[in-house]
Amino acid sequence: EAGVTQSPTHLIKTRGQQATLRCSPISGHTSVYWYQQALGLGLQFLLWYDEGEERNRGNFPPRFSGRQFPNYSSELNVNALELEDSALYLCASSLALAYRNSYEQYFGPGTRLTVT
Amino acid sequence: QKEVEQNSGPLSVPEGAIASLNCTYSDRGSQSFFWYRQYSGKSPELIMFIYSNGDKEDGRFTAQLNKASQYVSLLIRDSQPSDSATYLCAPYGMDTGRRALTFGSGTRLQVQP
Repeated sequence: EAGVTQSPTHLIKTRGQQATLRCSPISGHTSVYWYQQALGLGLQFLLWYDEGEERNRGNFPPRFSGRQFPNYSSELNVNALELEDSALYLCASSLALAYRNSYEQYFGPGTRLTVT
Repeated sequence: QKEVEQNSGPLSVPEGAIASLNCTYSDRGSQSFFWYRQYSGKSPELIMFIYSNGDKEDGRFTAQLNKASQYVSLLIRDSQPSDSATYLCAPYGMDTGRRALTFGSGTRLQVQP
């Protein structure tokens, strides 16, 4: 069974630009979570999508946004990039809420975003 | 107070010893707890999940939960050099506000051959 996939692996942008990161969940998973792992700050929750809707949002500014497509893949957009946005962005997926083990989140390999 | 507190380490243990990793949390609404392992430069990997008070064993791993004390731990028996990684604790709740994982900063474990 294929795991969570993310693209691109690395992304280099300059300050003020926009970045788009993509995630494909495990087949059968409908929930997608985005996390940011910045150096020295640990893993922080960004966004949660389930069945195409945003269910929860972490403590990040509105320039961090995303969406989930009908095939449950997801996109994270970061507008007006700042130097401190440089981090590893991780996507995780889980089964739908109705399943007993919907709490299990499985992570993709991440996208390393560097803002210069 | 942080939601999840972990000693950043590094925790250094000799090969074959028991490694004990601890985590305290502040939200009494947290119902379950995950332990993830993260190797340097890699993404987190789910290794244990516990929701009941007491112990849960899975191979060389034992998770211990004490909700009254808001404390969860992970024991690794017969530690191997391949266990050297950062271990992340994350509480979890079924309501929307707690479903997204809030990770501790992690404890770095070093197993010396």
